[in-house]
Amino acid sequence: AAGVIQSPRHLIKEKRETATLKCYPIPRHDTVYWYQQGPGQDPQFLISFYEKMQSDKGSIPDRFSAQQFSDYHSELNMSSLELGDSALYFCASSHTTGGTYEQYFGPGTRLTVT
Amino acid sequence: DAKTTQPPSMDCAEGRAANLPCNHSTISGNEYVYWYRQIHSQGPQYIIHGLKNNETNEMASLIITEDRKSSTLILPHATLRDTAVYYCIVDNSGAGSYQLTFGKGTKLSVIP
Repeated sequence: AAGVIQSPRHLIKEKRETATLKCYPIPRHDTVYWYQQGPGQDPQFLISFYEKMQSDKGSIPDRFSAQQFSDYHSELNMSSLELGDSALYFCASSHTTGGTYEQYFGPGTRLTVT
Repeated sequence: DAKTTQPPSMDCAEGRAANLPCNHSTISGNEYVYWYRQIHSQGPQYIIHGLKNNETNEMASLIITEDRKSSTLILPHATLRDTAVYYCIVDNSGAGSYQLTFGKGTKLSVIP
């Protein structure tokens, strides 16, 4: 079965640079979620989109923005990167319209800021 | 969302049943109990969820107490590949919440 695809899988950036992470949800899933997991930490919710509209917002820094496009893929844009942004970034998707809310996660993007 | 309490770690012998408890004493009527697991640095994996009835799927069983204040995830025949951090999450997605709040979870170690 198709799974959530994230790209790139690994990314190395320097401080103050920008980064864009991409997420391709499972086909027919209408909701996308972004989570951040720092070293030794549990995943923390950042933001979600339902039918291309922002549906919920968590602890996402103002330097980060995200959107969901007409084909339902999503991008997380991160600017003015800081050392503390080094983390695993997971995208998840669900078929909310179908009344099921379980989230299916991608393999993650490991961002290293130097 | 209601908070959950889980033991930080548990061991289980390979081939035996793993029973992972979770307390969620402040759960409200429309909140579901979800279980996810995360194998080291991989994306979290959905396991099972329930509202008030016990549930079973190909991965696990979920037993919810009648008062809904606690639940137990059962892996019937644990294998080494079940070694992971297991998260019990109370989620009111049905009421329009679109996020999972991960707590500390239980680190399950399956021992050969």
